[in-house]
Amino acid sequence: EDQVTQSPEALRLQEGESSSLNCSYTVSGLRGLFWYRQDPGKGPEFLFTLYSAGEEKEKERLKATLTKKESFLHITAPKPEDSATYLCAVRTDSNYQLIWGAGTKLIIKP
Amino acid sequence: GAVVSQHPSRVICKSGTSVKIECRSLDFQATTMFWYRQFPKQSLMLMATSNEGSKATYEQGVEKDKFLINHASLTLSTLTVTSAHPEDSSFYICSASERRVGGYTFGSGTRLTVV
Repeated sequence: EDQVTQSPEALRLQEGESSSLNCSYTVSGLRGLFWYRQDPGKGPEFLFTLYSAGEEKEKERLKATLTKKESFLHITAPKPEDSATYLCAVRTDSNYQLIWGAGTKLIIKP
Repeated sequence: GAVVSQHPSRVICKSGTSVKIECRSLDFQATTMFWYRQFPKQSLMLMATSNEGSKATYEQGVEKDKFLINHASLTLSTLTVTSAHPEDSSFYICSASERRVGGYTFGSGTRLTVV
């Protein structure tokens, strides 16, 4: 069964303290792995799409990487405004729908 | 970039009435629309998938007669919650995708409260 697991469930960091969020997946055929940011009471905001192992993408303080089993979202020197829930989802060869992880709630304390 | 507009952002309705939520793709053709429901502190739960001009495909456990989905054009999909009850209170989010291009763009969500 296709599955996406995110860890940790929640992460509290001090401003400037770098860390990583994990998204592990077991799917029959990966067509794309997506990272989204969601603020409370809002819809998910697109961050990155990764398609093949070894691919990396960056945007400001965020960097996403992909292996054959997992993806990491690295956050460098985070600021309080980076606080949000980060969602990971995958699209497989057999389905156009996204399979979602449960999300990681990131809290950056000033 | 791709933009999806979802309205209303908040709605309060009385039990037994119906509520319609609109989702519009503003600068691309949404060949496929997805409707999600999200409970507090949980991830997105897919309710249904609709392709333009076709009937929606509902996920197991979602009542198609209660959650009516219309996707009559490439830029507009609507979700109507019929005979709403307090247990239907939730956060509803739409997502639009153009299959030829790929990618999934989300609306800003609708907070439905049934009193």
